[in-house]
Order: sequence, then structure tokens, then C-alpha cells
Amino acid sequence: NAGVTQTPKFQVLKTGQSMTLQCAQDMNHEYMSWYRQDPGMGLRLIHYSVGAGITDQGEVPNGYNVSRSTTEDFPLRLLSAAPSQTSVYFCASRRTGGQGEQYFGPGTRLTVT
Amino acid sequence: AQSVTQLDSQVPVFEEAPVELRCNYSSSVSVYLFWYVQYPNQGLQLLLKYLSGSTLVKGINGFEAEFNKSQTSFHLRKPSVHISDTAEYFCAVSDSQPPKKLVFGQGTRLTINP
Repeated sequence: NAGVTQTPKFQVLKTGQSMTLQCAQDMNHEYMSWYRQDPGMGLRLIHYSVGAGITDQGEVPNGYNVSRSTTEDFPLRLLSAAPSQTSVYFCASRRTGGQGEQYFGPGTRLTVT
Repeated sequence: AQSVTQLDSQVPVFEEAPVELRCNYSSSVSVYLFWYVQYPNQGLQLLLKYLSGSTLVKGINGFEAEFNKSQTSFHLRKPSVHISDTAEYFCAVSDSQPPKKLVFGQGTRLTINP
């Protein structure tokens, strides 16, 4: 049971490049979410999904796309990277019927130059 | 919409001293409350949670927190800290109703000095 996994661990992009951050979970959790962590700002919700085929925006969705074609996977796409997207990205999951506790992946550290 | 305020961005304490990390939240509905810990270069790990019932909740590593509805607070405490408690601590709140989005505070960096 691997829990929540994220790839890559580190990534450096140039402004304007695109990439996909991968997230997978093996706990059959319906709810998955993406956060970004910036110093002094805690974690802010980017997008979330309550099940396959259903996604919604969080607090800071601009510049990011998501899709949820399977229960296990929830990739985050940066269409045209900007320096403001330099951050640490965390994926998390939980059961929809659960009590709100989320399980977090190890994070992806992204630098946009 | 909920919000969370962690009143201290950094808290330095000496080893074996007690510590309190403060958290206040605002919400117009019934909530769940959480404390997460992030050790250097790692993801977030749940320390403890309040869902309902007893206002004093105990978590892992000797931490506890007290839910105070009238003061909308959920402060985290430990009677005697260890060097290994050095980490960043996040308070978080979610609605008790779906979709139960989690809203985080800004974090408190706890530094333990020998």
C-alpha cells in the first residue's frame, strides 16, 4: 500500500513551458485535491475532485488544469509556466464519506525560471 | 467560507519546555478541525483532529489540542518538547458537510533549542 505518490520530486521549467505533475493513490479514495505551498501562506487549494469525471476549482485555480479519468489518478497540468508558479505542490486524497482527514503525498518542488 | 489564522509564524522554545501553538478559525457552520505536522522536506502528517464530542483531543507524539467554540480556537499544546518536534505545524478547518474542503492556516515553525 503506497498511499499517495507524486512524480516528479523536483522539476525546473522555463517560462512558457508546459508540464504535468502526476498524482496517484491506491486507497480507492473518491476525493482528491491539489495544493500549493508558499512560505508564509500555508497550503492553498488549487483544484479538487469528488470522483472520476468530476472536478472543481479551489482558491487559486488560474494557470492550472486538472482531469480525473480514473479513481486512482489526478494529474495537474501547467499549460504555460510562469515564475509565480514556483512552489511546492502537494496532492492529497480521502474517502468522500470520511471525516475530512486527508492523506498527503511527498510533494513536487517546482522552479520556473 | 472558513478561514484559519495561526497567530505565531515562529515559536522558539527550549528542549523539555512546554509549548502552545495558537489557532483561531472563522466559520458560520459546523466544522472539523485538524493539526498537521510537516517535518523538513516531507509531506504533511496528521497530528490530531476534532470532529465532535470531548473538546480535548489527544494526538500522536504527546500533542493535544483543545476546541473552544466560544473563542473559535483550537490551540495545540505539548507539556515537554523534544528536539525531534522541530517542524512546521499547520492548523486546518473543513466543513462537516460535503465537499469538506480543507482550509489551512499560514503555519507555525516550531524550533527546539537544546
